[in-house]
Amino acid sequence: AQSVAQPEDQVNVAEGNPLTVKCTYSVSGNPYLFWYVQYPNRGLQFLLKYITGDNLVKGSYGFEAEFNKSQTSFHLKKPSALVSDSALYFCAVRAFLDASGGSYIPTFGRGTSLIVHP
Amino acid sequence: DAGVIQSPRHEVTEMGQEVTLRCKPISGHNSLFWYRQTMMRGLELLIYFNNNVPIDDSGMPEDRFSAKMPNASFSTLKIQPSEPRDSAVYFCASRHGQSNQPQHFGDGTRLSIL
Repeated sequence: AQSVAQPEDQVNVAEGNPLTVKCTYSVSGNPYLFWYVQYPNRGLQFLLKYITGDNLVKGSYGFEAEFNKSQTSFHLKKPSALVSDSALYFCAVRAFLDASGGSYIPTFGRGTSLIVHP
Repeated sequence: DAGVIQSPRHEVTEMGQEVTLRCKPISGHNSLFWYRQTMMRGLELLIYFNNNVPIDDSGMPEDRFSAKMPNASFSTLKIQPSEPRDSAVYFCASRHGQSNQPQHFGDGTRLSIL
């Protein structure tokens, strides 16, 4: 079984400060990892993904995420937060299909509400 | 490139009525997902289609819910009869194949059952 934990329901940060939204996962074998953002009254939008290769992944809107296999984490980061970054952020994991099997269906975390204060 | 299109955007109806939600996935995508989002339960997967075939419907709450995908460009989620506890935002998402590609979500249907 695969699972995702986003330990913080809400993260507050001042504009201009760095932000981190945490995500840890559990999966059999190698993971595919994704971050999505949801603005009010909109669907989830893809930000970035980790498949293989460099542990630091860069995505849309200046966001990046670091894959840490030993800590089974994939935290989302941005060096300087903007008020417009305020939204709901979702982490998702899917097992890479190998001989051990796996699922084509990603598992989503419960989401973290990011609030950036002016 | 048009994204995933859902209709209607909002639906308000009385308990007991039939509700039909519609989804047009992105052309060329052959995986389709229906989700339900509420404050209490977060984002829940209801059903997953691949190549128009339902692969996993274990998230469908009960027999009142049904989903179809008659062709690659259209899917419906039907609730009959509807109940107030079905009130939620329903999202459709599509994906290119069973690959490592991300899902593309529509903007959802906000359903209110009175």
